[in-house]
Amino acid sequence: RKEVEQDPGPFNVPEGATVAFNCTYSNSASQSFFWYRQDCRKEPKLLMSVYSSGNEDGRFTAQLNRASQYISLLIRDSKLSDSATYLCVVSGSNYQLIWGAGTKLIIKP
Amino acid sequence: NAGVTQTPKFQVLKTGQSMTLQCAQDMNHNSMYWYRQDPGMGLRLIYYSASEGTTDKGEVPNGYNVSRLNKREFSLRLESAAPSQTSVYFCASSDRTGLTYEQYFGPGTRLTVT
Repeated sequence: RKEVEQDPGPFNVPEGATVAFNCTYSNSASQSFFWYRQDCRKEPKLLMSVYSSGNEDGRFTAQLNRASQYISLLIRDSKLSDSATYLCVVSGSNYQLIWGAGTKLIIKP
Repeated sequence: NAGVTQTPKFQVLKTGQSMTLQCAQDMNHNSMYWYRQDPGMGLRLIYYSASEGTTDKGEVPNGYNVSRLNKREFSLRLESAAPSQTSVYFCASSDRTGLTYEQYFGPGTRLTVT
């Protein structure tokens, strides 16, 4: 079993719709959780950290469920510019990060 | 403020050739990392340097060596390239203060080994 698992997609979503991704992780000792965004053939960039209480940044909402060991990302009112691959990332030992393979999102006009 | 820079951007090697990938950061970060990214897989850590003067193996270190030249620079060397090392290589850095863990990435090096 992979340490961090994501549905690879692609998710094809019309502009303006709401879309949600989930990610599951295997290490119950993980303390920190993140969503990164990666555009085609570019480097990953931090989208948002995920806190135990959940957090929101504009149209983006992230949730953490420690009991079930999953993280979610909700995007409301999706824009064409949201098209990208979304990487779920979980902290490991020695300040290392464990990366999911990503979920590809395509927003269609 | 350039952030994290990597050279070269593209490279084609023949099997058995050697090369060094260069990485530098200007954010005064303590920690630096080398990852590889292959289709359908998450980023995999090759080596990391928690602070200047230290380096440690990550998940996939075989076939690679690293040097933390100073606080700014962290190089990755392929001594004898193999086709299995065809990949996109990313260098990253982080501050490691608190629990932020945010890593900042360079633009990547696309390496093909024939």
